[in-house]
Amino acid sequence: GQQVMQIPQYQHVQEGEDFTTYCNSSTTLSNIQWYKQRPGGHPVFLIQLVKSGEVKKQKRLTFQFGEAKKNSSLHITATQTTDVGTYFCAGPPKGTSYGKLTFGQGTILTVHP
Amino acid sequence: NAGVTQTPKFRILKIGQSMTLQCAQDMNHNYMYWYRQDPGMGLKLIYYSVGAGITDKGEVPNGYNVSRSTTEDFPLRLELAAPSQTSVYFCASSYFVGGTGETQYFGPGTRLLVL
Repeated sequence: GQQVMQIPQYQHVQEGEDFTTYCNSSTTLSNIQWYKQRPGGHPVFLIQLVKSGEVKKQKRLTFQFGEAKKNSSLHITATQTTDVGTYFCAGPPKGTSYGKLTFGQGTILTVHP
Repeated sequence: NAGVTQTPKFRILKIGQSMTLQCAQDMNHNYMYWYRQDPGMGLKLIYYSVGAGITDKGEVPNGYNVSRSTTEDFPLRLELAAPSQTSVYFCASSYFVGGTGETQYFGPGTRLLVL
């Protein structure tokens, strides 16, 4: 079955440093979604990427979708303490017609003030 | 709109007991999902439903059952609780019409401890 892997599993940064998490799928994805889960909270949708090579920005967050649509990355510039949480990527296998997502195991980000 | 609601927030069960985790959404979403999240881990899909009366197994369905009699409600039943079912359970919903994908909206979660 489809597997979605994320690295690193943990990342500790000082406030103001940059952060990047990478997502790799064993199969081609029709789209990739990113979610953020604050400690003790529930996953919240951040963004969806659909096109090969697509890049989207949300303030300090930059999301990329690979040319082969099998990998993605999330980059945060100048982290803040509000960025703390777990970042998940998720995607449905290409060609699927149902709304299921396979989630990566997440990257836990800690920001030290 | 309340979005996706889940009850209870927290529950302690003894081994062998049964319980139902409730989930409701008021967004008229057709798809609903149940996930479990073990400490430090990602989300594992237990069951999902594409509409009232239609359910299907996800990645980790053993020990669980679901039903969906209405668009709004999607309860998850645990029969004969085991310590391995200690986890945080999230219900989610989405409006899926095919194509490139959809956003899933998550409930606040139910923390279950089986002793």
